[in-house]
Amino acid sequence: ETGVTQSPTHLIKTRGQQVTLRCSSQSGHNTVSWYQQALGQGPQFIFQYYREEENGRGNFPPRFSGLQFPNYSSELNVNALELDDSALYLCASSLGIDSYNEQFFGPGTRLTVL
Amino acid sequence: DQQVKQNSPSLSVQEGRISILNCDYTNSMFDYFLWYKKYPAEGPTFLISISSIKDKNEDGRFTVFLNKSAKHLSLHIVPSQPGDSAVYFCAARGNSGGSNYKLTFGKGTLLTVNP
Repeated sequence: ETGVTQSPTHLIKTRGQQVTLRCSSQSGHNTVSWYQQALGQGPQFIFQYYREEENGRGNFPPRFSGLQFPNYSSELNVNALELDDSALYLCASSLGIDSYNEQFFGPGTRLTVL
Repeated sequence: DQQVKQNSPSLSVQEGRISILNCDYTNSMFDYFLWYKKYPAEGPTFLISISSIKDKNEDGRFTVFLNKSAKHLSLHIVPSQPGDSAVYFCAARGNSGGSNYKLTFGKGTLLTVNP
């Protein structure tokens, strides 16, 4: 049974660019949630995908968008990058939208915007 | 507006002693509380949770206490071990569907257990 994986591990972009982060959920998990963790802060909920549909969104602008694929892997896309987007981006997978006890996090992607 | 607060950025304890990590919240609609542990270069790992209808939940060395009237919860680790050294996040969940299934995290407390 493989755990949650994320790619890339690190990424450096410049302001105004676009970025795509990827997440492979744990085998059998159909729900993926994305979080942004800025330095010195706790993870902040971006959105959740359940069976390829967005199921809830946090307080993030529309330039943060996502996708979930039939194999339940997921992408987070951020357009028009800003300096404040520099953060660790975490994805977490679970079986069902209400399974917080079994929510497994990946190691994250460290995004630096210059 | 921080709805989940962990006011101690760090805590240092001796091996074998009790570690007490605290968390306060402001949203009375939260119905479920969780603690996560995070090591460097790894994602957060679920540790223990408690429903808002309970005041205590115990799992081995870890116990979580919930005081709803004070909107306060705490995580007790007894006895503390050096391997417990990590950042501990308190998180809370709303009680309706849609975006209220999101978890709201505190800023975390760095626990250091000294041998």
